[in-house]
Amino acid sequence: AQSVTQLGSHVSVSEGALVLLRCNYSSSVPPYLFWYVQYPNQGLQLLLKYTSAATLVKGINGFEAEFKKSETSFHLTKPSAHMSDAAEYFCAVSVNGNQFYFGTGTSLTVIP
Amino acid sequence: GAVVSQHPSWVICKSGTSVKIECRSLDFQATTMFWYRQFPKQSLMLMATSNEGSKATYEQGVEKDKFLINHASLTLSTLTVTSAHPEDSSFYICSARKSSGNTIYFGEGSWLTVV
Repeated sequence: AQSVTQLGSHVSVSEGALVLLRCNYSSSVPPYLFWYVQYPNQGLQLLLKYTSAATLVKGINGFEAEFKKSETSFHLTKPSAHMSDAAEYFCAVSVNGNQFYFGTGTSLTVIP
Repeated sequence: GAVVSQHPSWVICKSGTSVKIECRSLDFQATTMFWYRQFPKQSLMLMATSNEGSKATYEQGVEKDKFLINHASLTLSTLTVTSAHPEDSSFYICSARKSSGNTIYFGEGSWLTVV
């Protein structure tokens, strides 16, 4: 079975500060891991994905995530937050790349 | 990029009535589509997998007679919530897998409120 835990349903950072959104996963087989962003009234947009290649994955908008098997983590980071980064972020795990199991989401607020 | 559109984005219906939500892949063919729902402050939960031309596969605990899924064409899947009740109020979102390749695209989601 697969599952995802996102620690912190709300995260606030100052503009220009480091963004760190945490994600831990559970999977009985090597997983695919994803981070999605959802802006208000919009669909899910893929930020980045891990598919067993490089453990450090770079995505769009300056985000990146590192797959750490020993910690079963896939935390999302961005060195410098921008106001436009304020959104809901979802971590997801998939075994076959089709069916996704999502975390509960983390709402990111960027303070000017 | 590929676009998946859901309609309606927002719908309010009376308890006991049925409501249909459409999921369309606008610029690609999707052999497989997926339906999720999200209750407030909870995760998106997979409800069912919809395959074009065949019966949908439902996840455990999802009532197939209540949530009717039809995937009649390669660009359209519909979810019908039958005899809706207030507890069915939720955010429903679909995703579609391109027939060529393995990329998944998500729709914008549909907010259902049953009063």
